[in-house]
Amino acid sequence: DGGITQSPKYLFRKEGQNVTLSCEQNLNHDAMYWYRQDPGQGLRLIYYSQIVNDFQKGDIAEGYSVSREKKESFPLTVTSAQKNPTAFYLCASNRRPGNTIYFGEGSWLTVV
Amino acid sequence: GQQLNQSPQSMFIQEGEDVSMNCTSSSIFNTWLWYKQEPGEGPVLLIALYKAGELTSNGRLTAQFGITRKDSFLNISASIPSDVGIYFCAVTGANSKLTFGKGITLSVRP
Repeated sequence: DGGITQSPKYLFRKEGQNVTLSCEQNLNHDAMYWYRQDPGQGLRLIYYSQIVNDFQKGDIAEGYSVSREKKESFPLTVTSAQKNPTAFYLCASNRRPGNTIYFGEGSWLTVV
Repeated sequence: GQQLNQSPQSMFIQEGEDVSMNCTSSSIFNTWLWYKQEPGEGPVLLIALYKAGELTSNGRLTAQFGITRKDSFLNISASIPSDVGIYFCAVTGANSKLTFGKGITLSVRP
C-alpha cells in the first residue's frame, strides 16, 4: 500500500533527552512537512522540505531539527531545547509544493 | 502571519441534522481545502476548491469557495455518528505553504 508511515505511534521520554520521530513515504512525493498539533491550536508548521538535501524552517522551528538525505524519509528530532515538546506530531507530503497534501497517522510524544 | 478563522470551536448536533461550517480570512487565497481528523489520526482531505465561486460536492458534503476568495463554507447533510471529528479549513499561501484554521470539533448525538 502507498502512503506515509510515521513511527513510533506513541513515545515517552524524560525531559532533557533528544528524540527522533520517523516519517517515510512511498508516494514518490518531492515535498515533505512536519506539523505539531496541540488542543485548540490547530496544526502549526515546524519544518518543510521541497527537495532532497534541502529544508526550511516553518512557523515554530525552535527546538527542532530535520534532515532530508533521501526522498522517502524526513525524520524530525525534538531536542532538549524545545520548551514544551509534549504534543501530537504529524508528517505530511505532496508531489510538489502547492499540490494536495497528505498526512501520516501521527505520533504522540509525551515528555515527563 | 496568515490567519484563518473558524468558529465556534465545538458544535453539537443531532443525528440526521444538517450542519454548516464557515472559514474566513482577511487575505485572499487561491486554494481552499477542507480536512477531517478523527481522534488519534492524521487529517484526511475531504474537498479541495481551486476557483472562486466553485461549489463542489463529495457525497453528503458540499463546499464552496467564496467569490471574494476570503472565505469558504462546508455543509454536511443528514449527519451520521461517524461524522464526528475535527474539521479544518486550510489555504495554500506564499511559498505553497499550507496554513490551517484551528478546527471545529463536531459531535453528533444519536
